[in-house]
Amino acid sequence: AQSVSQHNHHVILSEAASLELGCNYSYGGTVNLFWYVQYPGQHLQLLLKYFSGDPLVKGIKGFEAEFIKSKFSFNLRKPSVQWSDTAEYFCAVRSTGFQKLVFGTGTRLLVSP
Amino acid sequence: GAGVSQSPSNKVTEKGKDVELRCDPISGHTALYWYRQSLGQGLEFLIYFQGNSAPDKSGLPSDRFSAERTGGSVSTLTIQRTQQEDSAVYLCASSTTTSGAWETQYFGPGTRLLVL
Repeated sequence: AQSVSQHNHHVILSEAASLELGCNYSYGGTVNLFWYVQYPGQHLQLLLKYFSGDPLVKGIKGFEAEFIKSKFSFNLRKPSVQWSDTAEYFCAVRSTGFQKLVFGTGTRLLVSP
Repeated sequence: GAGVSQSPSNKVTEKGKDVELRCDPISGHTALYWYRQSLGQGLEFLIYFQGNSAPDKSGLPSDRFSAERTGGSVSTLTIQRTQQEDSAVYLCASSTTTSGAWETQYFGPGTRLLVL
């Protein structure tokens, strides 16, 4: 069965600090990878996605993620976080032949001003 | 354009009662998904509809859960004889046709269900 692991459940950073959130998945075939974000009181929004091609993908608000197939990882990065990045971040994977998304348990990020 | 909408936004019910949750997908999206977000369980897939194909019900946790999609648009998720462990946020998502293509799912605001 597919699974997604997000190792950091809670992260606290100061503004301007760099961010890296880990995401690992277990599936040996072709996958699509996603990062969704849920800001306080808002619904899930797509941050970025990887379908194929360049393994370094750029998303909204200065976020990027790198797909490393050999490590089954899709870590999310941002060089300098802002207070407005306070949110919960979810990594998700979809594999060939399946339409459902399998989500990680999420990482709550708190950015202090 | 409007996004995915869900109603009600909040629902409080008593244990043993039936509830219906509604989802209006983005216009033109042929694929519709239901997920559940609960404490300790994260986001779990429940059911998926694609056009006129038979739905993928593999994520429904019990036979108390059912869903239908009328006219290829609006969907209703029904939970019969609700239990306290059904308390969660129920999320709906939609995407354009998936016939072999990789499509992004867009999520609605969810229905927060509390079973007393």
